[in-house]
Amino acid sequence: AQSVAQPEDQVNVAEGNPLTVKCTYSVSGNPYLFWYVQYPNRGLQFLLKYITGDNLVKGSYGFEAEFNKSQTSFHLKKPSALVSDSALYFCAVRDEVTGGGNKLTFGTGTQLKVEL
Amino acid sequence: DVKVTQSSRYLVKRTGEKVFLECVQDMDHENMFWYRQDPGLGLRLIYFSYDVKMKEKGDIPEGYSVSREKKERFSLILESASTNQTSMYLCASRPRKGVLNTEAFFGQGTRLTVV
Repeated sequence: AQSVAQPEDQVNVAEGNPLTVKCTYSVSGNPYLFWYVQYPNRGLQFLLKYITGDNLVKGSYGFEAEFNKSQTSFHLKKPSALVSDSALYFCAVRDEVTGGGNKLTFGTGTQLKVEL
Repeated sequence: DVKVTQSSRYLVKRTGEKVFLECVQDMDHENMFWYRQDPGLGLRLIYFSYDVKMKEKGDIPEGYSVSREKKERFSLILESASTNQTSMYLCASRPRKGVLNTEAFFGQGTRLTVV
């Protein structure tokens, strides 16, 4: 079975500082990994994905994520946080092998709060 | 841009009512999904459909059913609403049946309150 863990319910960071939102995963085969962001009372917006290739993936709004196969992690990063980055972030995984068919499994979400 | 539209942003229904949540996508996607979102639990898959009239149970299908009569429309039905179905409901669609590496596109969500 595929699963995702986001160990932090909330991350606080000062504007201008680097941010990291953590994600670890478990799959049977090769993973397809995704990050989504949700602003209050809105749906999810796609940020970036890892399918294959370079371990550092760049996405929307200056975000990037690093795939680490040995640590089964896919942490989301940004070099300089903005107050407008404050939102709920979800990591998700789909297993290449079993896949659950079309199933995308989400983590429980991490609330990012960027303060002045 | 892909657009996934959910018919209501907010709904208040009474216990025992039959509730319909509608979702329409405009990009000819084969796959459509219904999730519910609860604090601390993330998104949990209720049902999904990979083609017209096709449906598969997700992780938490109990108390729900779905209908997909047209490719662009995927309806979630609460046969007899209960207070434990108070939640945020999110519809999503994804292109290309059988391709696993494409991202899903989400609607804006429907916040359902059952009283």
